[in-house]
Amino acid sequence: DAGVTQSPTHLIKTRGQHVTLRCSPISGHKSVSWYQQVLGQGPQFIFQYYEKEERGRGNFPDRFSARQFPNYSSELNVNALLLGDSALYLCASSLLQGLLSPLHFGNGTRLTVT
Amino acid sequence: GENVEQHPSTLSVQEGDSAVIKCTYSDSASNYFPWYKQELGKRPQLIIDIRSNVGEKKDQRIAVTLNKTAKHFSLHITETQPEDSAVYFCAAGGIDTDKLIFGTGTRLQVFP
Repeated sequence: DAGVTQSPTHLIKTRGQHVTLRCSPISGHKSVSWYQQVLGQGPQFIFQYYEKEERGRGNFPDRFSARQFPNYSSELNVNALLLGDSALYLCASSLLQGLLSPLHFGNGTRLTVT
Repeated sequence: GENVEQHPSTLSVQEGDSAVIKCTYSDSASNYFPWYKQELGKRPQLIIDIRSNVGEKKDQRIAVTLNKTAKHFSLHITETQPEDSAVYFCAAGGIDTDKLIFGTGTRLQVFP
């Protein structure tokens, strides 16, 4: 079985630009969550989507947005990039909503903002 | 606000020894406590999790204990091996919420 897949694996952007990160969940998983992991820290929750609806949002500015598609894949969008947005962006999928079932992470997209 | 503290930040042990990592959480509504192992440049991998209706769970060389009264939970690795070397993260969340709050990580080094 394929795990959670994310694209691209690496990305370099300049301040002020926008970026779109993509995630495909494990087959059969209907929930997708996004986390930001700054170097040397634990992942921080950004969003959770279940059945194409936003179910949770972390403490991130409105520059961050996301959506989930009918096939349960998801996109994370970040506008007006800042240097501080440089991080590893992790997508996780789970079978059920919330934390009723374990989260399985993808390999992440490493975003560098210069 | 919600917070998870994790100690120690680094831990070095000899192969074959035991390793213990401790976490404390602040949100009393938390009832799900997973542990993730993250090797350099790789994704966090779930190694064990515990829900609040049990106090201890074991899986071969790995065990997790939970003290809900004290809001503490711990990861115990016995008979450590060099391949156990990685960063370990604890996390806490509520079954009916949508997010995990992660600790700051423990870098475990197992020396042969």
